Amino acid sequence: DAGVTQSPTHLIKTRGQQVTLRCSPKSGHDTVSWYQQALGQGPQFIFQYYEEEERQRGNFPDRFSGHQFPNYSSELNVNALLLGDSALYLCASSRTSGEETQYFGPGTRLLVL
Amino acid sequence: QKEVEQNSGPLSVPEGAIASLNCTYSDRGSQSFFWYRQYSGKSPELIMSIYSNGDKEDGRFTAQLNKASQYVSLLIRDSQPSDSATYLCAVNVYGNTDKLIFGTGTRLQVFP
Repeated sequence: DAGVTQSPTHLIKTRGQQVTLRCSPKSGHDTVSWYQQALGQGPQFIFQYYEEEERQRGNFPDRFSGHQFPNYSSELNVNALLLGDSALYLCASSRTSGEETQYFGPGTRLLVL
Repeated sequence: QKEVEQNSGPLSVPEGAIASLNCTYSDRGSQSFFWYRQYSGKSPELIMSIYSNGDKEDGRFTAQLNKASQYVSLLIRDSQPSDSATYLCAVNVYGNTDKLIFGTGTRLQVFP
């Protein structure tokens, strides 16, 4: 049973650039949530996708956007990168009906220089 | 007031002892509670979920929930050096597939 996968594992960008992170949910899951985890902090909710729509959004600027595809995989896009966007980006998948537990992928570590 | 609060630690316990990790939350409507373990440089890994008041045991781990006191805890019995990690408490306010609100985590160190 394949777990949640994310790509790439590491990424280095410079200020002002744009980045796209990718996530494939666990088999049987239809909901994808994205979190940002700064060093020494707990994960912070960015947004959640279900049925290709953004269902919930946390307190993040519009520079953060996403997409969900028909196969339930998802992308997180960040425009106009700031130094403060350096963090571990986590994707979590879950099933809307039944089990609600969110399972995390390995994360993408983004460094903005 | 933070929505989910944890003592950042480190909590140091000797091998074989019981480690007790605590978490408080502010929203009385919270429905689901989770403990995740995170090793340095890795992603969070689910240990336990608990939804009802009382205790829930799984191997060496016991989660305790007291909704009246807005308190959830994790006990680790027979602690091992491999248990050394950061333990994240997460709360799901509205239930099914709602966003998780995390505490900052408690760093646990188990020494031989």
